Amino acid sequence: DAGVTQSPTHLIKTRGQQVTLRCSPKSGHDTVSWYQQALGQGPQFIFQYYEEEERQRGNFPDRFSGHQFPNYSSELNVNALLLGDSALYLCASSLVGDPLGAFFGQGTRLTVV
Amino acid sequence: QKEVEQDPGPLSVPEGAIVSLNCTYSNSAFQYFMWYRQYSRKGPELLMYTYSSGNKEDGRFTAQVDKSSKYISLFIRDSQPSDSATYLCAMSSSGSARQLTFGSGTQLTVLP
Repeated sequence: DAGVTQSPTHLIKTRGQQVTLRCSPKSGHDTVSWYQQALGQGPQFIFQYYEEEERQRGNFPDRFSGHQFPNYSSELNVNALLLGDSALYLCASSLVGDPLGAFFGQGTRLTVV
Repeated sequence: QKEVEQDPGPLSVPEGAIVSLNCTYSNSAFQYFMWYRQYSRKGPELLMYTYSSGNKEDGRFTAQVDKSSKYISLFIRDSQPSDSATYLCAMSSSGSARQLTFGSGTQLTVLP
């Protein structure tokens, strides 16, 4: 079982650009959540996808959008990148309604310059 | 004020020491309480969880929840250098989506 896989592992983008991050959930999981973890901080919830729909959203601007595909994999898109978007982006997969079974990937380290 | 407050440390202890990590929270809706361990350049991994108030023990680790005080703790007995990591408390309500709200993490170093 490969667990949760995220790609790419590292990314450097220029302010104003757009970025797409990808996540493949753990086998058997149907729900994907995205978190942003700034340096020295805990992860902050961005949004959660289930059945290809956004179920819940944290306090993030519309520049952050996502998608879930029929195979449960997911993408996180960030438009008009700001320097403050530099962070570790974590994907967590789980079965719907089960917070205790959330498995996290290793994350994508995004640096905006 | 943040919903979950956690002392960021850093905390440095000798091998074999008992470690106490704590979080306080303000949201009475939180029902599930978790501790995650995060090694450098890795994603968080679930260490322990409790539902509502009470204690839970797993080997060298004990998690405690006091909902009346809105206070949770993680105790590590006989700490080992391999326990060196960042420890994150996390909480969720009983809603269907159950997003996790994390503390800021405590960086722990166990010295051999």
